[in-house]
Amino acid sequence: GESVGLHLPTLSVQEGDNSIINCAYSNSASDYFIWYKQESGKGPQFIIDIRSNMDKRQGQRVTVLLNKTVKHLSLQIAATQPGDSAVYFCAENSNTDKLIFGTGTRLQVFP
Amino acid sequence: NAGVTQTPKFHILKIGQSMTLQCTQDMNHNYMYWYRQDPGMGLKLIYYSVGAGITDKGEVPNGYNVSRSTTEDFPLRLELAAPSQTSVYFCATDPAGGTGELFFGEGSRLTVL
Repeated sequence: GESVGLHLPTLSVQEGDNSIINCAYSNSASDYFIWYKQESGKGPQFIIDIRSNMDKRQGQRVTVLLNKTVKHLSLQIAATQPGDSAVYFCAENSNTDKLIFGTGTRLQVFP
Repeated sequence: NAGVTQTPKFHILKIGQSMTLQCTQDMNHNYMYWYRQDPGMGLKLIYYSVGAGITDKGEVPNGYNVSRSTTEDFPLRLELAAPSQTSVYFCATDPAGGTGELFFGEGSRLTVL
């Protein structure tokens, strides 16, 4: 099976609870941030993005918070479901043609 | 639409051999990317292309080559494979570049022994 993510930080939450996944970035010039979800054996999928002129953006059951002062990004998932189990990556862009991905966090949802 | 199609899904190479990972997209996206993902790590950009005939290096280009003769195809070539190239390789597209909403293929798992 897929071996990606064996040594990743892991967040374990109970079904129905809220999840908060954190990400620190290093490039102060980054002005665009994205969260991706990667299920086992699949490629990453776009979840939500945020530009640096915002500090919060909401989607369906997900909220991204951006703190530029401490270069920190978080993804909040409300009412976590078993289908949310995956590896979550943050990615940043500094007005270039390419994204730089973080290491990732594994989210495990238990009943 | 098939989206982004990568072949092969799995392959084993011997040290020193060469091979090409294929990536084809039917979304008419100009931007295409090759990433590698090692166990416990995020995605590292190998090469990218902003359109047919144009390619550029990413973070980890050594040991790889790419070409972009058409909008649809963006093959990744490994020359003289090394164990350090054992990884899962992902091809991705972006309609406009810098949008962040990349569309990924299913990945190609490569083992070099």
